[in-house]
Amino acid sequence: KQEVTQIPAALSVPEGENLVLNCSFTDSAIYNLQWFRQDPGKGLTSLLLIQSSQREQTSGRLNASLDKSSGRSTLYIAASQPGDSATYLCAVNPGYTGNQFYFGTGTSLTVIP
Amino acid sequence: GAVVSQHPSRVICKSGTSVKIECRSLDFQATTMFWYRQFPKQSLMLMATSNEGSKATYEQGVEKDKFLINHASLTLSTLTVTSAHPEDSSFYICSAKLPGTSGGYGYEQYFGPGTRLTVT
Repeated sequence: KQEVTQIPAALSVPEGENLVLNCSFTDSAIYNLQWFRQDPGKGLTSLLLIQSSQREQTSGRLNASLDKSSGRSTLYIAASQPGDSATYLCAVNPGYTGNQFYFGTGTSLTVIP
Repeated sequence: GAVVSQHPSRVICKSGTSVKIECRSLDFQATTMFWYRQFPKQSLMLMATSNEGSKATYEQGVEKDKFLINHASLTLSTLTVTSAHPEDSSFYICSAKLPGTSGGYGYEQYFGPGTRLTVT
């Protein structure tokens, strides 16, 4: 069964700093990987989706990379802002029957003004 | 873009009662929907896969008689928590898979906003 781990579990940075969130998964046979943002008590907001054939995706200040062979993905946030404070989840789609996502443990990010 | 709604967003019920949560795909048809559960400060755990017109597939450890799932149409799946207990209090999130054109594998899923269930 796929296991997804995110490091660090919590991160606190001053505003304006660039930061990297890490996601690792045990089974490299994935179809895609998705990064989500979750605000306290709220649902999920999709940030970036990377197909297994892709190496990275960019959206605004966010850049997600994927190294499928090593079972790793990173989410890079440039010029962090207080509004970026949230929990970031990565989720792996194994691509087999069912297509459910396996979620990581999350990284709680706090950007200090 | 694809939108998934959930109703209600919050519900408080008494122990022993049943609660129904709806998940709707608003602008697309979803043959497959998923129900997840999230405990405080933990990640999402898949409970079951809901397929339109057939029985749901439950993950190991999830009581199918307690968590009843019905996917009666291509835009609606419901989760009913029967005989609720305080330990059922949690955040329940559904997702719907956007149909694809190539074997149905791995297409982006859209998540609902979640339902906070509190059992007193």
